[in-house]
Amino acid sequence: EADIYQTPRYLVIGTGKKITLECSQTMGHDKMYWYQQDPGMELHLIHYSYGVNSTEKGDLSSESTVSRIRTEHFPLTLESARPSHTSQYLCASSEFGRGSHEQYFGPGTRLTVT
Amino acid sequence: QKEVEQDPGPLSVPEGAIVSLNCTYSNSAFQYFMWYRQYSRKGPELLMYTYSSGNKEDGRFTAQVDKSSKYISLFIRDSQPSDSATYLCAAPLFGNEKLTFGTGTRLTIIP
Repeated sequence: EADIYQTPRYLVIGTGKKITLECSQTMGHDKMYWYQQDPGMELHLIHYSYGVNSTEKGDLSSESTVSRIRTEHFPLTLESARPSHTSQYLCASSEFGRGSHEQYFGPGTRLTVT
Repeated sequence: QKEVEQDPGPLSVPEGAIVSLNCTYSNSAFQYFMWYRQYSRKGPELLMYTYSSGNKEDGRFTAQVDKSSKYISLFIRDSQPSDSATYLCAAPLFGNEKLTFGTGTRLTIIP
């Protein structure tokens, strides 16, 4: 079944640790996205990718980095986690072209940095 | 001013009621509009999208766009407890990767 997966679903980690949030999709989509969502706030785009070896920063400034070595995989890395990084991180994917605005989301990773 | 404004609620209605969820937008360049539904502890899922002014119906859901007043609505008929979720409106800019989201309206359907 075509789907988009995120691991871990929940993560509590101490300040200064390096973390990688995983995102994989079996939708066959070229475009992938990372959003940050805080309670009661709109989703903010932090990174996106058109395809393999393509990565772009979104609207919201983020200290995270991303990579796209395989079409189906779009991990997000925080080199040194801080309490200000506590948030929900959502990965999404979409087709290229006219359907690109129909984005399909994963279940999210809820990150808490203590 | 945010480009897409949405009343965060929360909104509680009895089962079977007609629900009206609304957003306003400020950017005339928005060409089409989307509604996402987000259950607690889940990612948003695309519910409906509509390209032009007027109504689009899908089962119990109707999306309505009024471009003259920059107002978009989602109506839910015969509401069910399973409709309890946060509903987010969103709009893309043509040629832009960004989807601009509203803050979402949290809806509870009371059995």
